[in-house]
Formats: sequence, structure tokens, C-alpha cells
Amino acid sequence: SAVISQKPSRDICQRGTSLTIQCQVDSQVTMMFWYRQQPGQSLTLIATANQGSEATYESGFVIDKFPISRPNLTFSTLTVSNMSPEDSSIYLCSVVFGGADTQYFGPGTRLTVL
Amino acid sequence: AQKITQTQPGMFVQEKEAVTLDCTYDTSDQSYGLFWYKQPSSGEMIFLIYQGSYDEQNATEGRYSLNFQKARKSANLVISASQLGDSAMYFCAMREGLYSGGGADGLTFGKGTHLIIQP
Repeated sequence: SAVISQKPSRDICQRGTSLTIQCQVDSQVTMMFWYRQQPGQSLTLIATANQGSEATYESGFVIDKFPISRPNLTFSTLTVSNMSPEDSSIYLCSVVFGGADTQYFGPGTRLTVL
Repeated sequence: AQKITQTQPGMFVQEKEAVTLDCTYDTSDQSYGLFWYKQPSSGEMIFLIYQGSYDEQNATEGRYSLNFQKARKSANLVISASQLGDSAMYFCAMREGLYSGGGADGLTFGKGTHLIIQP
């Protein structure tokens, strides 16, 4: 499987500010995904990020709130903009790797917004 | 309607017993994939096992096996000889409209089952 790292691993932020989360993969991958896991909840897909094109957002998520960059085949960033306490979640990046189209996840970023 | 249903919010099991975690799914696609992930308290998502919709045999990975009943649209995870380290949240997930070699969509997750293994 691919080795996926995320930075930061956790952060505490003030409302109204923005945080950019980085996802780095040790192999080139076509698709990268960003998920959110709110406290005590399951994972919800935010968007799919292809290299060289605009990210595709799921219903309920918009680019102004969650801008995504995908500058190359091993790296992506997710920004959580104008944060509110409701944005407190674990944010996870994921890549498809291997013949079975298995999605592997990064370690996650625990975000707390005060 | 939910696409992935996990009906067991929590389970307590004695160590060394076998465990079955239930998962039913809803899709009209012929090609899809089903996944199970383990999430310990650390928060990481650990891939356990995968079953493709066209796979005729149930998937197995060590102590994990997937009881795939296509007609019933169920994909239960079986953990044999449970261990204390198996205590975690377990999520069933599905990706629709794919088969091996061409995945493009993200996963839809169930609400999860919190499994606690007791000594």
C-alpha cells in the first residue's frame, strides 16, 4: 500500500480563521479524496481531487469553504476557510492504490475550532 | 434511503470468540466494491478487506473474512478468534460503478459498529 502523511496532525484554531491541511503520498496516484469525520460520526466525502483539474465537490460542500489544490501526482491540500466550531472534525485524505481499487487513508488531521 | 446500513451500534464480545459485524447495502449498479475499515481510538482508518461485486468467492484476509450474499445485498465482516486489539470502530463502505482497475468515485460509509472485546 502507499504511505500517506498529513500535516498538521492536529490543530486548535480560532473561529473566522483558515487552516490548510497537506497530504503527501510516496507514490504517484491519479485520484485523491478528502473526507470529513465529525465527532462520533462516520466519514463523509468532501471532494475528489484530480491532478491538473478542478476538484469535484459532493453535495453540501463548496469550493469557497473547502478550496483544494492538486499541483502534482503525489500532493494535495485542503483548506478549511472561515472556520466555525461546526468545522471541528477529523479531516482525512485518501488515495486509490493497487489492483483492487482499494482506498488507503492518511492518519488524519484533528481540527478543533474554538 | 441509506446506501450502507450497519444495524449494530455497539457489540461486546468475549476474547477468542468469533464476531460477525452486519452490513447491508443498496445500489442499482451492477459493478461495485465493498470495503471494511477499522478505526481504533487513534483515529486512523485501517483497510481490512475488499469484495468486488463480481467476485464469486468470499474475500479472506487472515482472521478477517467477508460473508458476501449478493442477492440479500449483505456484506458481513467475520473476525475469527477475536483479540483485545480488535476493539475499535468498524466501518462498512461501498464504491459504486466500478470494478477492479477503474475506480474513480469516493466511498459511502455506514455509521459504524463499536466493537469491544472483553478479556
